[in-house]
Amino acid sequence: AQSVAQPEDQVNVAEGNPLTVKCTYSVSGNPYLFWYVQYPNRGLQFLLKYITGDNLVKGSYGFEAEFNKSQTSFHLKKPSALVSDSALYFCAVRDGNSGYSTLTFGKGTMLLVSP
Amino acid sequence: DAGVIQSPRHEVTEMGQEVTLRCKPISGHNSLFWYRQTMMRGLELLIYFNNNVPIDDSGMPEDRFSAKMPNASFSTLKIQPSEPRDSAVYFCASSPPPLGTQYFGPGTRLTVL
Repeated sequence: AQSVAQPEDQVNVAEGNPLTVKCTYSVSGNPYLFWYVQYPNRGLQFLLKYITGDNLVKGSYGFEAEFNKSQTSFHLKKPSALVSDSALYFCAVRDGNSGYSTLTFGKGTMLLVSP
Repeated sequence: DAGVIQSPRHEVTEMGQEVTLRCKPISGHNSLFWYRQTMMRGLELLIYFNNNVPIDDSGMPEDRFSAKMPNASFSTLKIQPSEPRDSAVYFCASSPPPLGTQYFGPGTRLTVL
């Protein structure tokens, strides 16, 4: 079985400050990890993924995420938040060892960036 | 690329009516997924197709729900009869082989009165 935990329902940050959205995962095989963002009344939009290689992954809109195998975490980060980053963020995992494993999503974290 | 296309974008219907949601995946993608999103339950995977074949339909809530993928470029999700608790946003997503990144459509907001 695989699962994702996003421990914070909401994260508040001031514009210009760094932001972190937390994610921990559980998977029996090799973790493939993803972050998606959802703006109001829109579909989920792919931000970045970790499959293998460098633990620091860079994605769209200046976001990056750090894979930490020992802590089973994949936190999303951005050095300087923008008001336009305010949205719902989803972490997801799948088992890379399984040919038919599908994505398991966390419950989402609402990011609110204040001016 | 046009991305994943879903229709209709909004659907309002009365309890007991049949509802059909449509999805056109990205060309070249061989996996297709139907999700449902509600405030209470979050994002739920309903069914997953690979090469037009249903692989996992364990998320389909009841026999009232059915999904088909007659060819690589079209899928439908049907609810018959619809109930108010089916009100949600339904997303279709597709991914390239081998089970690569999923790309989501804009969703269909279904309201059952």
